[in-house]
Amino acid sequence: EVQLVESGGGLVQPGGSLRLSCSASGFSFSNYWMNWVRQAPGKGLEWVAKIKQDGSDKYYVESVKGRFTISRDNARNSLYLQMNNLRVADTAVYYCARDSFSYTYVDYWGQGTLVTVSS
Amino acid sequence: QPVLTQSSSASASLGSSVKLTCALSSGHSSHTIAWHQQQPEKAPRFLMRLEGSGTYNKGSGVPDRFSGSSSGTDRYLTISNLQSEDEADYYCETWDSHTRVFGGGTKLTVL
Repeated sequence: EVQLVESGGGLVQPGGSLRLSCSASGFSFSNYWMNWVRQAPGKGLEWVAKIKQDGSDKYYVESVKGRFTISRDNARNSLYLQMNNLRVADTAVYYCARDSFSYTYVDYWGQGTLVTVSS
Repeated sequence: QPVLTQSSSASASLGSSVKLTCALSSGHSSHTIAWHQQQPEKAPRFLMRLEGSGTYNKGSGVPDRFSGSSSGTDRYLTISNLQSEDEADYYCETWDSHTRVFGGGTKLTVL
């Protein structure tokens, strides 16, 4: 059974940093592109970043470029999101999400971790 | 990049059928999309991949009541024999080059 379990969320002040983690199991993690998708309170889904199987390619939504860094450790079956210079607008539930093997869409989601940026 | 447009809300009676629409922006009529369901206070769940031809592939455990179809730039999710647990937000997703786009979501109320 595919499982994605996020951790690391919490309350942080504007300008602060936070590192999210996602532990993957039930599939061959190193064979899949992985994503972070967020959802602000009461709002829709917003794709944040994605990373290639070997970590060599990374892509970001414009609003987080230069502030967020996606990374992965295939030996630990883990995905990360380092978030720096956080803004109030970054407040959201952050989901770890797996891309399907042969196509570019999300086929599994984690349960999410809440990040609150507030003074 | 493509833009996905969804109605903000829809409603239908228990046991009836409903057809939700995801409209692709012009020039993207061939794009494949994915449908996701998000029940209240839960994480999203992948429902299906839907091609412009109308061919769809459902995720594991998705009931037969869920089906997909396409017409031009419109992609549809049809839910038959509506159940109370189908009350949820439904999002469509597509991609272009290395970006990912979600529609604004449709909140489905089961009456």
